[in-house]
Amino acid sequence: DTAVSQTPKYLVTQMGNDKSIKCEQNLGHDTMYWYKQDSKKFLKIMFSYNNKELIINETVPNRFSPKSPDKAHLNLHINSLELGDSAVYFCASSKDPNQPQHFGDGTRLSIL
Amino acid sequence: EDQVTQSPEALRLQEGESSSLNCSYTVSGLRGLFWYRQDPGKGPEFLFTLYSAGEEKEKERLKATLTKKESFLHITAPKPEDSATYLCAVQVFTNKLIFGTGTLLAVQP
Repeated sequence: DTAVSQTPKYLVTQMGNDKSIKCEQNLGHDTMYWYKQDSKKFLKIMFSYNNKELIINETVPNRFSPKSPDKAHLNLHINSLELGDSAVYFCASSKDPNQPQHFGDGTRLSIL
Repeated sequence: EDQVTQSPEALRLQEGESSSLNCSYTVSGLRGLFWYRQDPGKGPEFLFTLYSAGEEKEKERLKATLTKKESFLHITAPKPEDSATYLCAVQVFTNKLIFGTGTLLAVQP
């Protein structure tokens, strides 16, 4: 029933490791997003895909790489994790880039 | 630089005590303004979209209004279940959403 689902919900790992977060939406939306929410609750866009094409690519270290295998999935791979990557990462989707976005419940990433 | 500012940062109300949250913005081009509600441990939940100055939207105890420089979220006779963080976001012409830092609302019974 979940509209936008992310896995895992929690991710605890060591500095230098590589990890992936998966996102799936069952709303039939064409546009998907990744956001980072820091400890002060500030939500900032990282990437957006529309029909599997990258349309927003903010100033994000190239250790972060999004991948969209199809319109319903947008995964985020992070290489060489750093302490500053600790945050909550949210996936979202919308019918098109102008429509309201629907968010998943986030993945809390903690780097030891 | 595009900027969205919300005030107050935190607001404590008694049940039934009406109030307003503010979202002011300076952006290069406004496509729309969105209000979201976020509960602890959850993702933001969409409430309203406003597109032009003078527009108003209502849902239960909430009413959102928009001017050329700011938006207000009015909460009438709030209940404890209205407690949450309320986020404002502005969509600019690049289709990017720029979020404010939110207002943490606590409604006490």
